[in-house]
Amino acid sequence: KNEVEQSPQNLTAQEGEFITINCSYSVGISALHWLQQHPGGGIVSLFMLSSGKKKHGRLIATINIQEKHSSLHITASHPRDSAVYICAALPSGSARQLTFGSGTQLTVLP
Amino acid sequence: EAQVTQNPRYLITVTGKKLTVTCSQNMNHEYMSWYRQDPGLGLRQIYYSMNVEVTDKGDVPEGYKVSRKEKRNFPLILESPSPNQTSLYFCASSPTGVPYNEQFFGPGTRLTVL
Repeated sequence: KNEVEQSPQNLTAQEGEFITINCSYSVGISALHWLQQHPGGGIVSLFMLSSGKKKHGRLIATINIQEKHSSLHITASHPRDSAVYICAALPSGSARQLTFGSGTQLTVLP
Repeated sequence: EAQVTQNPRYLITVTGKKLTVTCSQNMNHEYMSWYRQDPGLGLRQIYYSMNVEVTDKGDVPEGYKVSRKEKRNFPLILESPSPNQTSLYFCASSPTGVPYNEQFFGPGTRLTVL
């Protein structure tokens, strides 16, 4: 069983909708990354979180370390947000390897 | 421009023919890593390096070798490729010796082993 679970696996939204992607993990972590993989395959790092909340443009990431849960929100979604969103956890202690979720395929329709 | 480069971007080869995928970063990053991505399995770490001459196995190291002789380069070597190594490969780097900071990914190398 993967230690990092994402939901939903697939998400289709209409342009302008508020989107939430969830990531939960079963082990203690020291940091969590959110990545975006474009349809062409390239991967971009969106956020690294160890506590609280971060915001960049229309993207907001939150983490609750005690509840072992993180969320990625997209406000006013746009078709160009269509991509695979991946969370990756850095377990406490190992501090060297990321454990990846399986990704959420987001499609935003115009 | 700060970047991670990989070469080649696409490669079709045959079973048993040794190959090397190069990875280079120009950001003086300490941490570098190789991942493979397969449908339904997501990203999995092959090898990582915390600094020059320091490498360690990830989750799926079998059939791969790496070296870190210089800080900027981290080549991935397949001594005797097999069809189950057909995959999309990503190199990534991070400023410090652990992946606590933002990860910078290369563009990916799509490898097909016939």
